[in-house]
Amino acid sequence: AAGVIQSPRHLIKEKRETATLKCYPIPRHDTVYWYQQGPGQDPQFLISFYEKMQSDKGSIPDRFSAQQFSDYHSELNMSSLELGDSALYFCASSLGLAGGLSGELFFGEGSRLTVL
Amino acid sequence: AQKVTQAQTEISVVEKEDVTLDCVYETRDTTYYLFWYKQPPSGELVFLIRRNSFDEQNEISGRYSWNFQKSTSSFNFTITASQVVDSAVYFCALSAIGANSKLTFGKGITLSVRP
Repeated sequence: AAGVIQSPRHLIKEKRETATLKCYPIPRHDTVYWYQQGPGQDPQFLISFYEKMQSDKGSIPDRFSAQQFSDYHSELNMSSLELGDSALYFCASSLGLAGGLSGELFFGEGSRLTVL
Repeated sequence: AQKVTQAQTEISVVEKEDVTLDCVYETRDTTYYLFWYKQPPSGELVFLIRRNSFDEQNEISGRYSWNFQKSTSSFNFTITASQVVDSAVYFCALSAIGANSKLTFGKGITLSVRP
């Protein structure tokens, strides 16, 4: 079965550069979530979208922005990168808010960003 | 505000031992979901279980079992006859049911199963 696809899987950037991460949800899923997991940390919620509209916002820095497109894929744009942005970025998708009837969020394999 | 506490940070067991991972949560919501995720060294988050707050039945799936006690706000996870492949970080998580459905994770428990 198709899963959540994230690209790129690995990304290396210099400080002050810009990075874009992409997330392709499971077909028919209309909700996308972004999480950031620093080294040795738990995943922290950044932002979510439902039907192409922002549905919730967490601890996302102002330097970051995200959107969900008409085909339901989402992109996380990160500018003026800092060393502390080095992390594993997860995208998750679900059918409907709160994971719909199953209550389940399906996570991608993550994109590992390293800022040098 | 929601909070998930996994007081154990690291657990090491020998293969075939049983191990219980503790999870205590706080929420003001009357209905909510509880989850367990496994994160192996490869990094992906693997969904293990979702429990909703109005279903307190315990669940068993193979070597895995979960004990949900609403009275003590706990959702503990037991692995029976542990195996080396069970070595991973295990996260307990909580979400509201409804519009604000983001997951709040605990800090995770690193489980090492030695041969």
